[in-house]
Amino acid sequence: KAGVTQTPRYLIKTRGQQVTLSCSPISGHRSVSWYQQTPGQGLQFLFEYFSETQRNKGNFPGRFSGRQFSNSRSEMNVSTLELGDSALYLCASSLVRGASEQYFGPGTRLTVT
Amino acid sequence: KNEVEQSPQNLTAQEGEFITINCSYSVGISALHWLQQHPGGGIVSLFMLSSGKKKHGRLIATINIQEKHSSLHITASHPRDSAVYICAVVGNEKLTFGTGTRLTIIP
Repeated sequence: KAGVTQTPRYLIKTRGQQVTLSCSPISGHRSVSWYQQTPGQGLQFLFEYFSETQRNKGNFPGRFSGRQFSNSRSEMNVSTLELGDSALYLCASSLVRGASEQYFGPGTRLTVT
Repeated sequence: KNEVEQSPQNLTAQEGEFITINCSYSVGISALHWLQQHPGGGIVSLFMLSSGKKKHGRLIATINIQEKHSSLHITASHPRDSAVYICAVVGNEKLTFGTGTRLTIIP
């Protein structure tokens, strides 16, 4: 069974631009969660999608948004990028929702200049 | 004060030593995860537990709900165990993470 995939793996953007990251979960998994990892703040929960609906959200500004498609693939979008958005963005999929056993993707490393 | 505290932050040991990493939390939780992160960023879920003890190979995880404390033990440590180990608690159906313990095993 293929694991969780994320594209792109690396991305460089300029302040003020927007970016869209993609996550394909393990086949059959309906929950996708997104996390941000920075050296200063560590790992932080962004949001969880299940059955195309956002089920939970972390403490991030509205510039961070996401969606989930009918095939469970998910995208997250960050608008008006700031230098502080430079981070490793990880997604994780699971069979059921609510922070159950999670399978992580390799991450997208975003650099904002 | 962070909701999830890990100790030690860094740990260097010789191959074969018994390793213990501790995690304390201050909030009510429904479960706790132990994760392993290798250089390059990939994260692997090691355990998810809500009570007692779980064992997988050379890894053992325990949790004491009353004391709000969990430990991850590695027996007969090996250089390939070198990684960052992260504790994460489940509260309100979302994960809150500790800052991680960087483990280095010297051959």
